[in-house]
Amino acid sequence: ETGVTQSPTHLIKTRGQQVTLRCSSQSGHNTVSWYQQALGQGPQFIFQYYREEENGRGNFPPRFSGLQFPNYSSELNVNALELDDSALYLCASSFPGLDYNEQFFGPGTRLTVL
Amino acid sequence: AQKVTQAQTEISVVEKEDVTLDCVYETRDTTYYLFWYKQPPSGELVFLIRRNSFDEQNEISGRYSWNFQKSTSSFNFTITASQVVDSAVYFCALNTNSGNTPLVFGKGTRLSVIA
Repeated sequence: ETGVTQSPTHLIKTRGQQVTLRCSSQSGHNTVSWYQQALGQGPQFIFQYYREEENGRGNFPPRFSGLQFPNYSSELNVNALELDDSALYLCASSFPGLDYNEQFFGPGTRLTVL
Repeated sequence: AQKVTQAQTEISVVEKEDVTLDCVYETRDTTYYLFWYKQPPSGELVFLIRRNSFDEQNEISGRYSWNFQKSTSSFNFTITASQVVDSAVYFCALNTNSGNTPLVFGKGTRLSVIA
């Protein structure tokens, strides 16, 4: 059973550019959540995808968007990058079951916006 | 709304000392889950423990122990005989509804263990 993977590991962009971050869920997991962790802060929820549909969103502007594919992998897209978008982006996969839905985190993508 | 407060921003201890990381939470839900995660410099969040709101028993796992007190809305984490490898940022988090809701994290406590 493979864990959650994310790519790329690091990324440097400039203001105004667009970026796509990728996440592969743990095998069998159909739910993916994305979090942004700014320096010195705890992770903050961006949005969640369940079976290819957005299933909840945090307090982030529309320029943060996502996709989930039939194989349950996911993308986070950020348009018109701002300096404050510099952060560690974490994805977590889970599978809704009868008991608690454990979220398994990937290693993260560190985005730097110059 | 849910909230997690970790009042200690940074703690520094000498190796072999015991250290307690504080966590206070707020929620109106009667069913909720509390977590501790460790984040080493590599950045990956390492799951340490999950506790549900109906289980107030304290737990011990090796040098780690957790004290859950609903009366004070606290879920504190103690490391006994700290080691340099314990140096990391530790996050307390909360969610509800069988885990199908987003995790709400505190701001974290940076623990430095000095040899």
